[in-house]
Amino acid sequence: GQQVMQIPQYQHVQEGEDFTTYCNSSTTLSNIQWYKQRPGGHPVFLIQLVKSGEVKKQKRLTFQFGEAKKNSSLHITATQTTDVGTYFCAPGLGSSNTGKLIFGQGTTLQVKP
Amino acid sequence: GAGVSQSPSNKVTEKGKDVELRCDPISGHTALYWYRQSLGQGLEFLIYFQGNSAPDKSGLPSDRFSAERTGGSVSTLTIQRTQQEDSAVYLCASSPQGLLPPYEQYFGPGTRLTVT
Repeated sequence: GQQVMQIPQYQHVQEGEDFTTYCNSSTTLSNIQWYKQRPGGHPVFLIQLVKSGEVKKQKRLTFQFGEAKKNSSLHITATQTTDVGTYFCAPGLGSSNTGKLIFGQGTTLQVKP
Repeated sequence: GAGVSQSPSNKVTEKGKDVELRCDPISGHTALYWYRQSLGQGLEFLIYFQGNSAPDKSGLPSDRFSAERTGGSVSTLTIQRTQQEDSAVYLCASSPQGLLPPYEQYFGPGTRLTVT
């Protein structure tokens, strides 16, 4: 089945440093969603990307969808302690109309104050 | 409005017993999903409902797992003869509809299941 790989698995940064997580697929994706899960919490939707080369920004967060629609990235500028959590990418399965998402393994971000 | 709710929040059960986990989706959401998350791991898809039917049960790990949804609303995930490897957080999510393109999923707080 379709799988995605997220790297890195863990990232420790000093507050104020930038952070990037990557989501890579061997197959072309129709779209991709990103979720954030705080420690002890549940996943919360951040963004959806649909178009090739799409870039969306939410304050300090920048999301990109690759030109070939096989990879995506989330970049956080000047991290804050509130950014701590696990970030999941979740491609939608374009060949199926179930709206089903396959979640990556996630990147866990720790921010040292 | 109210979000997705799940009950119980925690469940401790003995190996071999059956358990039922409940999910109340957001009112009007036709799509409902169950996931399992083991400690420090990603989300494992279990089953998807569109209305009361389950067109995708591909993620159910064994025939000990079953789920139903009634009235296009509440869903119950049942695990029979629980095993220790069933210990995990079971998350439910709902979405306005399950058709393309995927709509954002709203997650409940989860049920933490511990099998002793």
